[in-house]
Amino acid sequence: SQKIEQNSEALNIQEGKTATLTCNYTNYSPAYLQWYRQDPGRGPVFLLLIRENEKEKRKERLKVTFDTTLKQSLFHITASQPADSATYLCALRMNSGGYQKVTFGIGTKLQVIP
Amino acid sequence: DVKVTQSSRYLVKRTGEKVFLECVQDMDHENMFWYRQDPGLGLRLIYFSYDVKMKEKGDIPEGYSVSREKKERFSLILESASTNQTSMYLCATNTRGTETQYFGPGTRLLVL
Repeated sequence: SQKIEQNSEALNIQEGKTATLTCNYTNYSPAYLQWYRQDPGRGPVFLLLIRENEKEKRKERLKVTFDTTLKQSLFHITASQPADSATYLCALRMNSGGYQKVTFGIGTKLQVIP
Repeated sequence: DVKVTQSSRYLVKRTGEKVFLECVQDMDHENMFWYRQDPGLGLRLIYFSYDVKMKEKGDIPEGYSVSREKKERFSLILESASTNQTSMYLCATNTRGTETQYFGPGTRLLVL
């Protein structure tokens, strides 16, 4: 079965630096990969989606890369701010029987220190 | 904006009680999902529904059932709550053919 690993449970970074979060998966490549942000006590909020035929996607200070050879996605936040502190989840969509199942990683908790 | 609401933010129940968690969405989405989220385990799919009166088991359906009588409402039922069902429960929705899921605020359930 598909497994997702996010690089670390927690990541501390100085304000202004670039935060890089990693999502690794095993087995076959997913059709797409998503990144969500989750604040404490709240539901996840969608940030970016990247498809298997795309290498990179950007949205404002966010950048996602997708390397199907390494089976890895990197999520970058440039010029990080304390307001970026949250847990970030990656999610893969796989084909499973008659429906398309989304599997979530456990998340990386990012703390941006002023 | 998509709005997904869940009936309670916090709930405390006793072992053996029947528990209803409700999710309502206002965007006419076909697909609705129930997840639970536990530390170190991430989000796990309990049940989902692609249409009214339709339901499919997810990865961990044991001890749960669901009901979808109306398109906008998806209920999760714990027939006889147990302490191992203490968790954060999250409802999500999306429309057919799209990938992004929209989540509700979650219900933190404590079973004593």
